[in-house]
Amino acid sequence: EIVLTQSPGTLSLSPGERATLSCRASQSVISTYLAWYQQKPGQAPRLLIYGASNRATGVPDRFSGSGSGTDFTLTISRLEPEDSAVYYCQQYTTLPLTFGGGTKVEIK
Amino acid sequence: EVHLVESGGGLVQPGGSLRLSCAASGFTFSHYWMHWVRQAPGKGLLWVSRINTDGNTVYADSVKGRFTISRDDPKNTLYLQMDSLRADDTAVYYCLAFSGGQPYWGQGTLVTVAS
Repeated sequence: EIVLTQSPGTLSLSPGERATLSCRASQSVISTYLAWYQQKPGQAPRLLIYGASNRATGVPDRFSGSGSGTDFTLTISRLEPEDSAVYYCQQYTTLPLTFGGGTKVEIK
Repeated sequence: EVHLVESGGGLVQPGGSLRLSCAASGFTFSHYWMHWVRQAPGKGLLWVSRINTDGNTVYADSVKGRFTISRDDPKNTLYLQMDSLRADDTAVYYCLAFSGGQPYWGQGTLVTVAS
């Protein structure tokens, strides 16, 4: 099983600041099969990034993904108040599909 | 456009059964492997099961022997039969498909196991 470790657990930043979220895999992940999600309370996860760096339809360009192998990053270039949420990474290289434990982004 | 709609959730007593459905549209359902993922209240996301296009199935250890994934391709519908339900099966259940390397999710259906 590929274990995904996300850091930090919580990120508290001000509007306009840059947020950098990390997702580290216990073994190599095929970049094509790494996704990032945003989840707000009471809502289903919203796909932000797939294939490590491809933005999903309708996702603002302030969200970007990068990385390969075992280290992946989600960057939010200029935080907006509506970016307050929990962010998850997911690998779909092998079964079981696995998810990171999440990073909570708080907007000051 | 890929569209997935789950249904069938509700309140069930421990030891009871429930069948979830996931209605698919916007893609050739029979060509795709399908998954179930769940999220307990206040917790993270956990993969439950997968069925491929040949009907071969794989399960997480936590549900093996109790849950059965199946599909009806003419009806474009995925199912999850859940038996011997336990309190720790309480969660929102989502169906997933991958098309062109992109994941697609339904909105989820809530299953509550309580007496």
